[in-house]
Amino acid sequence: NAGVTQTPKFRVLKTGQSMTLLCAQDMNHEYMYWYRQDPGMGLRLIHYSVGEGTTAKGEVPDGYNVSRLKKQNFLLGLESAAPSQTSVYFCASSSPGGGYTDTQYFGPGTRLTVL
Amino acid sequence: AQSVTQPDIHITVSEGASLELRCNYSYGATPYLFWYVQSPGQGLQLLLKYFSGDTLVQGIKGFEAEFKRSQSSFNLRKPSVHWSDAAEYFCAVGPIQGAQKLVFGQGTRLTINP
Repeated sequence: NAGVTQTPKFRVLKTGQSMTLLCAQDMNHEYMYWYRQDPGMGLRLIHYSVGEGTTAKGEVPDGYNVSRLKKQNFLLGLESAAPSQTSVYFCASSSPGGGYTDTQYFGPGTRLTVL
Repeated sequence: AQSVTQPDIHITVSEGASLELRCNYSYGATPYLFWYVQSPGQGLQLLLKYFSGDTLVQGIKGFEAEFKRSQSSFNLRKPSVHWSDAAEYFCAVGPIQGAQKLVFGQGTRLTINP
């Protein structure tokens, strides 16, 4: 099992450009998440999904959109990149676990720089 | 609101010394608590988790954590650190508004002196 994979690993954008980050998991997890990590701020939830075809906003959703067309994939889009979106982005997945909060499994991250 | 505070941004210990990383949380019900470790350039890996039962939880790599409800704390400990333990450590609490969402602390960066 590859676990959670993220594409690409690194990306540099110019202000105003768009891009899509891809997250894939092979653990048949229902739930998937996108976080951003900034120095001194830990991980902040951008968007999440509780199942195929569903998405919801997290703590810092502005400037991002997501889609979950297939259970195993969760896409994060930046329509018009801004320097404030320079960050490391992590995808995670988890299973419902019978009603309790189960472990989230993380991908290796995507380092995005917006110039 | 739910929150997690890791009071120490950076800790330096000598190899072989004991370690304690602090985590305090604010949560309205019985929390589920997690410690994750992030090695440089890597994603997060689960060290241990607390759901219920025994308040002393054992994890991987020789780590343990103790849940103290009266102090709203979930401190991470290791009796003797190794150079490979140098990493950033995150405490997290959940679930938040269902969907198993977690709130993470700011992280503690651990440096090991040889």
